[in-house]
Amino acid sequence: SQTIHQWPATLVQPVGSPLSLECTVEGTSNPNLYWYRQAAGRGLQLLFYSVGIGQISSEVPQNLSASRPQDRQFILSSKKLLLSDSGFYLCAWSAVTGYDTEAFFGQGTRLTVV
Amino acid sequence: AQSVTQLGSHVSVSEGALVLLRCNYSSSVPPYLFWYVQYPNQGLQLLLKYTSAATLVKGINGFEAEFKKSETSFHLTKPSAHMSDAAEYFCAVEQGGKLIFGQGTELSVKP
Repeated sequence: SQTIHQWPATLVQPVGSPLSLECTVEGTSNPNLYWYRQAAGRGLQLLFYSVGIGQISSEVPQNLSASRPQDRQFILSSKKLLLSDSGFYLCAWSAVTGYDTEAFFGQGTRLTVV
Repeated sequence: AQSVTQLGSHVSVSEGALVLLRCNYSSSVPPYLFWYVQYPNQGLQLLLKYTSAATLVKGINGFEAEFKKSETSFHLTKPSAHMSDAAEYFCAVEQGGKLIFGQGTELSVKP
């Protein structure tokens, strides 16, 4: 069966520090991968998605970047965190079988920038 | 572009009462629609999805949703609320292989 791992679960970082959040998927090949951010009262905002190794699409301009160094690994990064980067970050994957295929989510990372 | 609007950021019901969470979509083509549930500090779990096979879709935990093209709606219902249903619920529409989410509705269940 397929599983998705996301870590760390919580993170407190000072303003200006770097960030690296990692997400890995097991039990499937060539998944679509996604990073979402959830801010209080603002729903889920799609940040990045990837359809293959090295292929990253950014949905909104921001202080963050994403990379996919391996087929089932998706990394969210920042060189210098801002206070506004605080939020709940969710990684997700979906199979490339059609547009009716649902996404499966990790447990999320609670990032607090202080 | 596809989008979904969830009416009501917070809904409160009594245990045993009907649950109705509203979602309207905007799409120029037949959409693929989803409902997800999120418990505190956790990821999202799929409740059900509409893929045009049937307008009434049954999901997990006793939830169901009806696709109404004339009303561009995909409201989520459950006949009798349980305390364990307290969570945040998200409606989503597929767009170009990606899921676009609504703002979410927080459901509270009173004993």
